[in-house]
Amino acid sequence: QKEVEQNSGPLSVPEGAIASLNCTYSDRGSQSFFWYRQYSGKSPELIMFIYSNGDKEDGRFTAQLNKASQYVSLLIRDSQPSDSATYLCAFPGGSYIPTFGRGTSLIVHP
Amino acid sequence: DTAVSQTPKYLVTQMGNDKSIKCEQNLGHDTMYWYKQDSKKFLKIMFSYNNKELIINETVPNRFSPKSPDKAHLNLHINSLELGDSAVYFCASSRTGTGEEKLFFGSGTQLSVL
Repeated sequence: QKEVEQNSGPLSVPEGAIASLNCTYSDRGSQSFFWYRQYSGKSPELIMFIYSNGDKEDGRFTAQLNKASQYVSLLIRDSQPSDSATYLCAFPGGSYIPTFGRGTSLIVHP
Repeated sequence: DTAVSQTPKYLVTQMGNDKSIKCEQNLGHDTMYWYKQDSKKFLKIMFSYNNKELIINETVPNRFSPKSPDKAHLNLHINSLELGDSAVYFCASSRTGTGEEKLFFGSGTQLSVL
């Protein structure tokens, strides 16, 4: 069964620091990975996706994919209190259905 | 216009009742999904449906059934509700269902079974 593992946290970082969120996945054939952010009481929203090995940057967010080691990371630079949320990684699982990790709760304190 | 809309937002009901949650998408997407999110934020697939195929997560009790009157709608019907069914249920859609594209989520339905 294709699975993705995430540390549930919470991960607590001070404002202005770099927050590092990680996922490991079981299926070596997986090609694409997604990071969703979910604020409390809201629905998940896509913030990053990555298909290729290496880094992909979008503003303060950087997604990193290492297929050999089967992990994907999300770095948030200059973390702000408004970044406090649950971050979910996802990939196409069985029957190509988006499969989510358990999510990491991030707390950015002033 | 809301891309994926689901109703109701809150649903409080007694054990043993039957209830439905409605979902509609106006994006012209081919595939729709139902996810269940537990209190620990784990988002678990229940059903995936496009106009050709229904894929059911085998762990979902058969008290849950998806009903799709047309491509833009995927409703969730639940029979004989149990306490453990209490969760947030999210409807979502994607353009083709390849798994390599963005999911658009509804706002969620908080189900509380008393």
